Parts: sequence; C-alpha cells; structure tokens
Amino acid sequence: DADVTQTPRNRITKTGKRIMLECSQTKGHDRMYWYRQDPGLGLRLIYYSFDVKDINKGEISDGYSVSRQAQAKFSLSLESAIPNQTALYFCATSDAGQPGANVLTFGAGSRLTVL
Amino acid sequence: GNSVTQMEGPVTLSEEAFLTINCTYTATGYPSLFWYVQYPGEGLQLLLKATKADDKGSNKGFEATYRKETTSFHLEKGSVQVSDSAVYFCALISGGSNYKLTFGKGTLLTVNP
Repeated sequence: DADVTQTPRNRITKTGKRIMLECSQTKGHDRMYWYRQDPGLGLRLIYYSFDVKDINKGEISDGYSVSRQAQAKFSLSLESAIPNQTALYFCATSDAGQPGANVLTFGAGSRLTVL
Repeated sequence: GNSVTQMEGPVTLSEEAFLTINCTYTATGYPSLFWYVQYPGEGLQLLLKATKADDKGSNKGFEATYRKETTSFHLEKGSVQVSDSAVYFCALISGGSNYKLTFGKGTLLTVNP
C-alpha cells in the first residue's frame, strides 16, 4: 500500500456541489498538507496541519476547508465547487524532524474537474 | 517572502545529452533546498536536497550544488535517459516560513531516443 493515499483519484462534478477529497497516511508523520497544481503555476499551498489540533491557511485557502480527523487523516472540502477549482490536488506529509531537513511525501494526486 | 524561480520549459533533449535546469531563490534566513520530480501520472517525489551552503545533493546521476553567493541550486545531469522525462520542481524551506515548502513553477523535460 502507498504511504499516502488519496481518494478519489478522479472526480467530475458540477458547479455548486460539495466535494470532499480524502487523504490518509501510514508514515506516522505529524504534518500534513494540501497543495493544488495548475499548469504553469507549480504547486500552491491550500492548508496545512502540524498536528491534529493545529490547522493553518496556506496561500490560497479561499473556497476550501479542511478537517484533521486523526493524525493519519486530513480531508479537503470544497463547499460549493466552481470551475476555476478544476485542478490536480495533492496531499503530502512530513516528519517534524530536524529543522531544515523537512522532506515531503506526496500522494498520487486527485484530479478534480468542475463543470 | 520566499520565492523560487526556475527556468521555463519545456526542455527537449536527445538521449545522452547534458541537462541543466536553472533555479534561483529568495529566502529569509538559511533555507534548505530541494529538487522534486514528478513522473507522468504520479505525485512528486524527492530527487535530491542540500541543507547548507556548498553542499552538493546527488541522486540517480543528478546533482545540484547549493550556491549561497549566487542564491542558486541548478540541477544537472551529464547524460539523460528517456526515463528522465518528467516535470522537475525546485523548492525551498526556510525557518521563517514555519517549515512550509515553497515551489518553483516546474520545468517539463522530454528526452527523445
């Protein structure tokens, strides 16, 4: 099994629908992240969580919310999806570890299309 | 704030050609620098890293040297293979940003046989 598992891998939905993307990890890492990838823009951070009780907004949190249900689970929700949220979404984890040596482990991605 | 600038692609090379992908950065403090690679249909994975000035990261024939004086971390490989075709991302972490990665926009590399 993959260290970081994202579901669903692909989703097509309509404008206004509520969507949840789920992420689970077996790395035992405290830190979890949600990134969005768009062509030509690289990866942008949506939300991050350094532990179950610590959730923080990233660069582009508007229109998104998250839930850290457990150390191993971190879900991203789109309350009312819109077409410009069409993108490839990645969950990632990292160990708190030594400052400066922080390495992310990524899931395989969830491709979301909003019509 | 932190930022990463990498050369725009796409880059197309023939097999066994020399590869350089330029990366420069702006950061507070003393960042750690990374190259991540994304193969088609997959998530990103760490390719190499360097945590202090003059360190050289290396993996799978790729190398990059942390140059503090030029704020650069260029990726090089002496002889690319078709299997190296992927998107390459330069990234940094600086303590001033609570250890969050800042990514460049990515460079698509295509290697033809």
